[in-house]
Amino acid sequence: EVQLVESGGGLVQPGGSLRLSCAASGFTFDYWMTWVRQAPGKGLEWVANINHDGSETYYVDSVKGRFTISRDNAKNSLYLQMDSLRAEDTAVYYCARDATWHNFDHWGQGTLVTVSS
Amino acid sequence: DVVMTQSPLSLPVTLGQPASISCRSSQSLAHSNENTYLHWFHQRPGQSPRRLIYKVSNRDSGVPDRFSGSGSGTDFTLTISRVEAEDVGIYYCMQGTHRPPTFGQGTKVEIK
Repeated sequence: EVQLVESGGGLVQPGGSLRLSCAASGFTFDYWMTWVRQAPGKGLEWVANINHDGSETYYVDSVKGRFTISRDNAKNSLYLQMDSLRAEDTAVYYCARDATWHNFDHWGQGTLVTVSS
Repeated sequence: DVVMTQSPLSLPVTLGQPASISCRSSQSLAHSNENTYLHWFHQRPGQSPRRLIYKVSNRDSGVPDRFSGSGSGTDFTLTISRVEAEDVGIYYCMQGTHRPPTFGQGTKVEIK
């Protein structure tokens, strides 16, 4: 069974940093992987994705230069380093497996990031 | 970026009756590889999104056959043939053909 378990969320002040993790199990960790976020009471927004070996990464414009997606295939783990956080980054962050070409077939339960003073 | 527009945004439905949600994209979602990367997700309150339909009309494993997807180009539809109580929640369409992938605003389905 495919499982994705996010961790690392919490309360952080504006301008601060946080690192999210996503532990994957139940499949060979050679898929593209993605982060999607959902602000409270709002819709879904794709944030970033990474190819199977980490050599390609893409970001939504609003996080470029502030967020870094990475992975450790030896640990079956996906990460999202979030720096210079803003109030508008407050959201539940989901990791998802990308079956092929932005086709998110499995999602984690999400981790809440709150940016507030 | 490709804009995905869903309608209606709120859909009160009667149990056992059909329901449909429209999703329109600002550009054609037909990829040069002949696939169309238009997917549908369902999110129940307090839960993660779950993929229901991928590439327009393919139902995911375990998804009841009362759910169906159709469409092409820029116009797509999710249809529930007979709504059941467990179908409440928010439905999102999403395009993956063009980077960045983008979602519709969501359609909230509730029982009358």
